Amino acid sequence: QKEVEQDPGPLSVPEGAIVSLNCTYSNSAFQYFMWYRQYSRKGPELLMYTYSSGNKEDGRFTAQVDKSSKYISLFIRDSQPSDSATYLCAMSISGGYQKVTFGTGTKLQVIP
Amino acid sequence: GAVVSQHPSRVICKSGTSVKIECRSLDFQATTMFWYRQFPKQSLMLMATSNEGSKATYEQGVEKDKFLINHASLTLSTLTVTSAHPEDSSFYICSAQAGSNQPQHFGDGTRLSIL
Repeated sequence: QKEVEQDPGPLSVPEGAIVSLNCTYSNSAFQYFMWYRQYSRKGPELLMYTYSSGNKEDGRFTAQVDKSSKYISLFIRDSQPSDSATYLCAMSISGGYQKVTFGTGTKLQVIP
Repeated sequence: GAVVSQHPSRVICKSGTSVKIECRSLDFQATTMFWYRQFPKQSLMLMATSNEGSKATYEQGVEKDKFLINHASLTLSTLTVTSAHPEDSSFYICSAQAGSNQPQHFGDGTRLSIL
Protein backbone atom coordinates (compact mmCIF):
# COMPACT_ATOMS: atom_id res chain seq x y z
CA GLN A 1 0.00 0.00 0.00
CA LYS A 2 1.30 3.43 -0.94
CA GLU A 3 1.69 5.97 1.82
CA VAL A 4 -0.44 8.45 -0.13
CA GLU A 5 -3.21 7.43 -2.51
CA GLN A 6 -4.64 9.79 -5.09
CA ASP A 7 -7.00 9.00 -7.96
CA PRO A 8 -5.11 9.86 -11.17
CA GLY A 9 -8.27 10.81 -13.05
CA PRO A 10 -8.67 12.33 -15.53
CA LEU A 11 -11.54 14.30 -14.05
CA SER A 12 -13.58 16.34 -16.53
CA VAL A 13 -16.03 18.96 -15.33
CA PRO A 14 -17.95 21.80 -17.00
CA GLU A 15 -16.87 25.36 -16.39
CA GLY A 16 -18.40 26.76 -13.20
CA ALA A 17 -18.65 23.39 -11.45
CA ILE A 18 -17.39 22.70 -7.95
CA VAL A 19 -14.42 20.35 -8.09
CA SER A 20 -13.50 17.98 -5.28
CA LEU A 21 -10.04 16.45 -5.24
CA ASN A 22 -9.03 13.97 -2.58
CA CYS A 23 -6.15 12.02 -1.09
CA THR A 24 -5.98 9.33 1.53
CA TYR A 25 -2.92 8.41 3.50
CA SER A 26 -1.77 5.69 5.82
CA ASN A 27 0.82 7.36 8.05
CA SER A 28 -0.91 8.92 11.03
CA ALA A 29 2.24 10.90 11.80
CA PHE A 30 1.66 13.27 8.87
CA GLN A 31 0.86 16.75 10.17
CA TYR A 32 1.60 19.14 7.32
CA PHE A 33 -0.54 18.97 4.21
CA MET A 34 -0.12 20.72 0.91
CA TRP A 35 -1.78 20.98 -2.46
CA TYR A 36 0.18 21.82 -5.56
CA ARG A 37 -1.01 22.59 -9.09
CA GLN A 38 1.18 21.46 -11.97
CA TYR A 39 0.66 22.58 -15.54
CA SER A 40 2.09 20.50 -18.34
CA ARG A 41 5.88 20.80 -18.60
CA LYS A 42 6.04 23.06 -15.56
CA GLY A 43 7.05 22.63 -11.94
CA PRO A 44 4.41 22.32 -9.20
CA GLU A 45 2.96 25.55 -7.83
CA LEU A 46 1.95 25.71 -4.18
CA LEU A 47 -1.78 26.34 -3.72
CA MET A 48 -2.50 25.53 -0.09
CA TYR A 49 -0.44 24.71 3.00
CA THR A 50 -2.15 23.56 6.17
CA TYR A 51 -1.15 22.18 9.51
CA SER A 52 -3.13 19.45 11.31
CA SER A 53 -6.88 19.12 10.92
CA GLY A 54 -9.37 21.73 9.82
CA ASN A 55 -10.25 23.92 6.88
CA LYS A 56 -8.39 26.65 5.08
CA GLU A 57 -9.84 28.91 2.42
CA ASP A 58 -8.06 31.03 -0.16
CA GLY A 59 -10.22 32.60 -2.84
CA ARG A 60 -11.90 29.85 -4.83
CA PHE A 61 -9.87 27.15 -3.11
CA THR A 62 -10.69 25.37 0.15
CA ALA A 63 -8.48 22.72 1.72
CA GLN A 64 -9.85 20.29 4.28
CA VAL A 65 -7.91 17.91 6.48
CA ASP A 66 -9.53 15.11 8.47
CA LYS A 67 -6.76 13.41 10.38
CA SER A 68 -9.11 10.97 12.09
CA SER A 69 -10.03 9.56 8.67
CA LYS A 70 -6.59 10.19 7.13
CA TYR A 71 -8.30 12.07 4.32
CA ILE A 72 -7.62 15.43 2.76
CA SER A 73 -9.56 17.36 0.15
CA LEU A 74 -9.21 20.35 -2.10
CA PHE A 75 -12.36 22.08 -3.33
CA ILE A 76 -12.34 24.46 -6.26
CA ARG A 77 -15.40 26.68 -6.63
CA ASP A 78 -16.53 28.23 -9.91
CA SER A 79 -13.97 26.20 -11.83
CA GLN A 80 -12.35 27.84 -14.85
CA PRO A 81 -10.65 26.38 -17.93
CA SER A 82 -7.41 27.82 -16.54
CA ASP A 83 -7.77 25.43 -13.60
CA SER A 84 -7.10 22.55 -15.99
CA ALA A 85 -3.91 20.99 -14.63
CA THR A 86 -2.65 18.12 -12.50
CA TYR A 87 -3.21 18.58 -8.77
CA LEU A 88 -0.76 16.95 -6.39
CA CYS A 89 -1.39 16.42 -2.72
CA ALA A 90 1.65 16.31 -0.47
CA MET A 91 2.30 15.78 3.20
CA SER A 92 5.08 15.59 5.74
CA ILE A 93 5.53 14.49 9.31
CA SER A 94 6.93 17.77 10.47
CA GLY A 95 7.82 21.06 8.97
CA GLY A 96 11.36 22.07 8.44
CA TYR A 97 13.52 19.98 6.24
CA GLN A 98 11.63 16.76 6.36
CA LYS A 99 10.89 14.57 3.41
CA VAL A 100 7.61 15.37 1.71
CA THR A 101 5.53 12.52 0.34
CA PHE A 102 3.58 13.31 -2.82
CA GLY A 103 0.50 11.75 -4.32
CA THR A 104 0.63 10.78 -7.97
CA GLY A 105 -1.63 13.67 -8.95
CA THR A 106 -5.15 14.03 -10.34
CA LYS A 107 -5.49 15.42 -13.83
CA LEU A 108 -8.35 17.91 -14.02
CA GLN A 109 -9.94 19.23 -17.19
CA VAL A 110 -12.44 22.06 -17.01
CA ILE A 111 -14.47 22.22 -20.19
CA PRO A 112 -15.67 25.65 -21.38
CA GLY B 1 7.18 36.00 -3.47
CA ALA B 2 8.95 32.65 -3.16
CA VAL B 3 10.18 32.42 -6.74
CA VAL B 4 12.48 29.59 -7.76
CA SER B 5 14.23 29.75 -11.09
CA GLN B 6 15.58 26.65 -12.80
CA HIS B 7 17.84 26.71 -15.84
CA PRO B 8 17.98 25.41 -18.51
CA SER B 9 14.39 24.41 -19.18
CA ARG B 10 15.33 21.99 -21.94
CA VAL B 11 18.50 20.10 -22.78
CA ILE B 12 19.15 17.73 -25.65
CA CYS B 13 22.60 16.21 -25.81
CA LYS B 14 24.57 13.17 -26.85
CA SER B 15 25.21 10.15 -24.67
CA GLY B 16 28.32 10.56 -22.53
CA THR B 17 27.88 14.30 -22.03
CA SER B 18 27.71 15.85 -18.57
CA VAL B 19 24.85 18.26 -17.99
CA LYS B 20 24.57 20.92 -15.29
CA ILE B 21 21.22 22.23 -14.07
CA GLU B 22 20.97 25.34 -11.89
CA CYS B 23 18.35 26.11 -9.27
CA ARG B 24 18.10 29.58 -7.79
CA SER B 25 15.82 31.06 -5.16
CA LEU B 26 15.29 34.59 -6.43
CA ASP B 27 13.60 36.39 -3.56
CA PHE B 28 14.43 34.36 -0.48
CA GLN B 29 17.32 32.48 1.08
CA ALA B 30 17.01 28.73 0.95
CA THR B 31 19.01 26.78 3.48
CA THR B 32 17.69 23.60 1.95
CA MET B 33 17.02 22.69 -1.63
CA PHE B 34 15.65 19.45 -3.04
CA TRP B 35 16.11 17.68 -6.36
CA TYR B 36 13.37 15.53 -7.84
CA ARG B 37 12.88 13.42 -10.90
CA GLN B 38 9.48 12.98 -12.47
CA PHE B 39 8.50 10.31 -14.96
CA PRO B 40 5.41 10.67 -17.17
CA LYS B 41 2.16 10.18 -15.24
CA GLN B 42 4.09 9.53 -12.05
CA SER B 43 4.66 11.53 -8.93
CA LEU B 44 7.78 13.37 -7.92
CA MET B 45 10.62 11.13 -6.85
CA LEU B 46 13.02 12.73 -4.39
CA MET B 47 16.62 12.25 -5.45
CA ALA B 48 18.50 14.23 -2.85
CA THR B 49 18.31 16.92 -0.21
CA SER B 50 20.88 19.67 -0.39
CA ASN B 51 21.92 21.87 2.53
CA GLU B 52 24.00 24.97 1.97
CA GLY B 53 27.63 24.36 2.71
CA SER B 54 27.38 20.64 3.33
CA LYS B 55 27.19 17.40 1.37
CA ALA B 56 23.89 16.41 -0.13
CA THR B 57 21.86 13.55 1.31
CA TYR B 58 20.88 11.09 -1.40
CA GLU B 59 17.83 8.85 -1.40
CA GLN B 60 18.29 5.11 -1.59
CA GLY B 61 19.04 3.96 -5.11
CA VAL B 62 20.30 7.33 -6.36
CA GLU B 63 23.95 7.23 -7.42
CA LYS B 64 25.77 10.15 -5.83
CA ASP B 65 28.66 9.85 -8.27
CA LYS B 66 26.23 10.03 -11.16
CA PHE B 67 24.19 12.94 -9.87
CA LEU B 68 26.53 15.52 -8.37
CA ILE B 69 24.88 18.17 -6.23
CA ASN B 70 26.50 21.38 -5.07
CA HIS B 71 24.83 23.93 -2.81
CA ALA B 72 27.41 26.67 -2.63
CA SER B 73 25.21 29.52 -1.45
CA LEU B 74 21.84 30.20 0.13
CA THR B 75 20.34 30.94 -3.26
CA LEU B 76 21.99 28.46 -5.62
CA SER B 77 22.13 24.69 -5.95
CA THR B 78 23.34 22.77 -8.99
CA LEU B 79 22.74 19.24 -10.20
CA THR B 80 25.25 17.75 -12.61
CA VAL B 81 24.31 14.58 -14.44
CA THR B 82 27.66 13.04 -15.27
CA SER B 83 28.23 10.92 -18.36
CA ALA B 84 24.53 10.98 -19.14
CA HIS B 85 22.90 8.05 -20.92
CA PRO B 86 19.47 7.69 -22.55
CA GLU B 87 18.03 6.16 -19.38
CA ASP B 88 18.80 9.45 -17.60
CA SER B 89 16.31 11.23 -19.85
CA SER B 90 13.64 12.64 -17.59
CA PHE B 91 12.08 15.77 -16.10
CA TYR B 92 14.24 17.10 -13.26
CA ILE B 93 12.71 19.57 -10.81
CA CYS B 94 14.28 21.46 -7.93
CA SER B 95 12.59 23.02 -4.95
CA ALA B 96 13.68 25.36 -2.18
CA GLN B 97 12.58 26.01 1.37
CA ALA B 98 12.77 29.41 3.04
CA GLY B 99 13.03 28.01 6.54
CA SER B 100 11.73 25.59 9.11
CA ASN B 101 8.02 24.78 8.83
CA GLN B 102 7.84 26.38 5.41
CA PRO B 103 6.58 24.61 2.29
CA GLN B 104 8.77 23.82 -0.66
CA HIS B 105 8.58 26.08 -3.71
CA PHE B 106 9.42 24.55 -7.05
CA GLY B 107 11.26 25.60 -10.16
CA ASP B 108 9.75 24.98 -13.58
CA GLY B 109 11.84 21.90 -14.22
CA THR B 110 14.40 20.83 -16.80
CA ARG B 111 13.50 18.35 -19.48
CA LEU B 112 16.62 16.34 -20.23
CA SER B 113 16.83 14.25 -23.38
CA ILE B 114 19.89 12.12 -24.00
CA LEU B 115 20.27 10.83 -27.53
